[in-house]
Amino acid sequence: KAGVTQTPRYLIKTRGQQVTLSCSPISGHRSVSWYQQTPGQGLQFLFEYFSETQRNKGNFPGRFSGRQFSNSRSEMNVSTLELGDSALYLCASSLYPRTYEQYFGPGTRLTVT
Amino acid sequence: TQLLEQSPQFLSIQEGENLTVYCNSSSVFSSLQWYRQEPGEGPVLLVTVVTGGEVKKLKRLTFQFGDARKDSSLHITAAQPGDTGLYLCAGAANDMRFGAGTRLTVKP
Repeated sequence: KAGVTQTPRYLIKTRGQQVTLSCSPISGHRSVSWYQQTPGQGLQFLFEYFSETQRNKGNFPGRFSGRQFSNSRSEMNVSTLELGDSALYLCASSLYPRTYEQYFGPGTRLTVT
Repeated sequence: TQLLEQSPQFLSIQEGENLTVYCNSSSVFSSLQWYRQEPGEGPVLLVTVVTGGEVKKLKRLTFQFGDARKDSSLHITAAQPGDTGLYLCAGAANDMRFGAGTRLTVKP
């Protein structure tokens, strides 16, 4: 069974731009969560989607948004990029929301200059 | 604010040594997971513990969940260079909360 895939793997953007990241979960998994990982803050929860509905949201500004499609694939968008948004963005899939068995993708490394 | 405190933050040992990593919280979790992450990759799930006092073994790795389900430990016996990586604990509450991680380096 194929794992979680994320595209692109690497991205360089300038301040003020916006970016869209994509995540394809493991086949059959209906829940997708997004995390931001930085050296200073570690792994921080962004949001979770299940059946195209946002089920939970972390403490991030409204510039961070996401959505989930009927095939469970998910995208997250960051608008008006800031230097502090540079991070590894990780997507994790699971069968159901708030479950403890999450499987992570390789991440998208975003650099904002 | 980290709900889960991991210690030590960094650990550098020689091949063959034993080590223990700790994950502590003031909160009770319905389950707790341990992950290992290598540079440039996403975390890989190692184990899930659910029952207070539970002990799970995965080859040279032993995981224990505290009786009160607030803390956990990971013990590695006879560490090998392949064990090098960032070890993360995560607790399931309203969402998944991660510790800051323990960065382990095993020197040959």
